[in-house]
Order: sequence, then C-alpha cells, then structure tokens
Amino acid sequence: DIQMTQSPSSLSASVGDRVTITCRASQGIRNDLAWYQQKPGKAPKRLMYAASSLQSGVPSRFSGSGSGTEFTLTISSLQPEDFATYYCLQHNSYPCTFGQGTKLEMK
Amino acid sequence: EVQLLESGGGLVQPGGSLRVSCATTGFTFSSYGMSWVRQAPGKGLEWVSSISGSGSTYYADPVKGRFTISRDNSRNTLYLQMNSLRAEDTAVYYCAKGTIEMATITDYLWWGQGTLVTVSS
Repeated sequence: DIQMTQSPSSLSASVGDRVTITCRASQGIRNDLAWYQQKPGKAPKRLMYAASSLQSGVPSRFSGSGSGTEFTLTISSLQPEDFATYYCLQHNSYPCTFGQGTKLEMK
Repeated sequence: EVQLLESGGGLVQPGGSLRVSCATTGFTFSSYGMSWVRQAPGKGLEWVSSISGSGSTYYADPVKGRFTISRDNSRNTLYLQMNSLRAEDTAVYYCAKGTIEMATITDYLWWGQGTLVTVSS
C-alpha cells in the first residue's frame, strides 16, 4: 500500500502570508495526486488535480507542483477564507490514501 | 448539475448492520466509478471502498469482509452495506463520484453532504 505523509499537521499563519504544504508518497505515483480543502461540517472541495492543474473556479493564489513522490500545495497570499484543513489524495493505486491533513489556523 | 445525496445513517449497536445509500442525478451513473470516503469525528479523511462502472470492487483493509459496496445503475444509486459494525466505524460517510468516465481509479470532484453513522450501545 502507498502511504502519504503530509506535513505540517498544523500551521499558524496570517492573512497575506505564503504557505506551503507537502505530501510525500512512499513510492512513485506519477502525478496521480489531488489536493482538497475542507471546512468544518462540509464535504471536501477539490483545489488541484493531476498534482498541478488548478480546478476551475479556484483562485489562482493556489498552486500545486511535484511528481513521483514529492508534492506541494502553495497558497501565495493567504485570504481569510483559506483557513481550513487541507488533504492530499493519491489515486495511483488501490487502496487510495489521503494524507493526514494540515490544519491552517489564523495566527 | 451533478448531485449526490446520501441517506440511511443512524445509530446502530456494535455488531449490528446498516446500509447507507447515495442517490445521484446529473450524469450518466453507469459510466463512472463511485466511492465511499469516511471521516471519524475530529479525524481525517479515510477512503473506504470504490466500485467501477463495470462493477469491480475495492476495499480498505479495515472494512474488508465486513462492508459491501454495490450499485444499481437502473436507480442511479450507490450503496454501502455495513455488517459487524464496530465503534471505530463511527464516522460521516461521504459518497464521491469519479472524475474520468470508465476509469478504474480516479480522484473525486463531486461529493455528497455525508451521512453520520454512529456505532454505540
């Protein structure tokens, strides 16, 4: 099974900050990775797919990069609505696996 | 517009059974893989099970042998039959639609609102 190690598990930041979240796969997954944002009581929302493709309607301050085993999600300038929990998902092989999540909190 | 609507959650005793459903509209149901993802209270997302458009099934180890995923293409509905339930199965169960027609494995763009399953005596 492929393990996804996501870091950090939590992050305190301020509006306007640049933040980066990382996911590391235990084996190569090409670019079969998506990033999700989840707010309390809501279903996850896809931000990025194929590691670096921005989902339609998602602000361009979000970007993704990586291939193989190392992936990053970057928010270039944090906005108040970005404080949420973020997850990566590998869908290269079953079982699909999510990262443990990164809770982004306001400093 | 794609819509996914889960139902069937509730309180069940340990060792009991429950079936949750996901009614769908807005797309050709039989052409897409569907999945169940759960989230225990205060915890992260956990993939549970997937079924391809052709009916191939996949399960996470913690539920293998206890849960059964199925689909009724005539009713555009996805199911998850959960047997021998344990306290650790307590979670919000989301159904999710695959993004690529006829693909065996994909990520998810469309999600339901979730249904809460509580396993407790």
